[in-house]
Amino acid sequence: GQNIDQPTEMTATEGAIVQINCTYQTSGFNGLFWYQQHAGEAPTFLSYNVLDGLEEKGRFSSFLSRSKGYSYLLLKELQMKDSASYLCAVRDWGGTALIFGKGTTLSVSS
Amino acid sequence: DTEVTQTPKHLVMGMTNKKSLKCEQHMGHRAMYWYKQKAKKPPELMFVYSYEKLSINESVPSRFSPECPNSSLLNLHLHALQPEDSALYLCASSHLAGGPGNEQFFGPGTRLTVL
Repeated sequence: GQNIDQPTEMTATEGAIVQINCTYQTSGFNGLFWYQQHAGEAPTFLSYNVLDGLEEKGRFSSFLSRSKGYSYLLLKELQMKDSASYLCAVRDWGGTALIFGKGTTLSVSS
Repeated sequence: DTEVTQTPKHLVMGMTNKKSLKCEQHMGHRAMYWYKQKAKKPPELMFVYSYEKLSINESVPSRFSPECPNSSLLNLHLHALQPEDSALYLCASSHLAGGPGNEQFFGPGTRLTVL
């Protein structure tokens, strides 16, 4: 079966660092994506990992361990605008579908 | 042009109506997708088109009928919907359905309410 787990909610303060974890068990693996979705808006692409290790993009970094079925998204220097839902998604071997986790709602306060 | 557009933004329809949702992209992507998203839930894949051919249908009821007239356009025809079909319908596109990277770009969605 396909299973992707993320925490439901997280809170943090402006300027802090937050790490959102994602564990997955899927029948195949062809990459892991992180998307950000503000309420009422479309998901926007943040990062992609297919090999083990860390990918850094400005204030956002994403890490993958394929042997552990584990990824995290690291957000630094948090800003109020980072308050959103963060979706972890795995692409299967067929390479067509994205299987989304339930999303983590991050609330950033001042 | 790096965006996916969807029309209409909002749609209210009765259970006997027939309506269509439209999606357009001009990024040269050859894979296009329809997702359904209920409140506080992740997007659920409905259909995938690769090179204008339907490649995945995730057991979606026949009251939803997709169409891909050309490589830039994707439609979703709606007929005899139920109130539980009310949701945000998202269109997405990517370069190739299965290539490395090739993230999916999402449109803003159509907020559908079925009365």
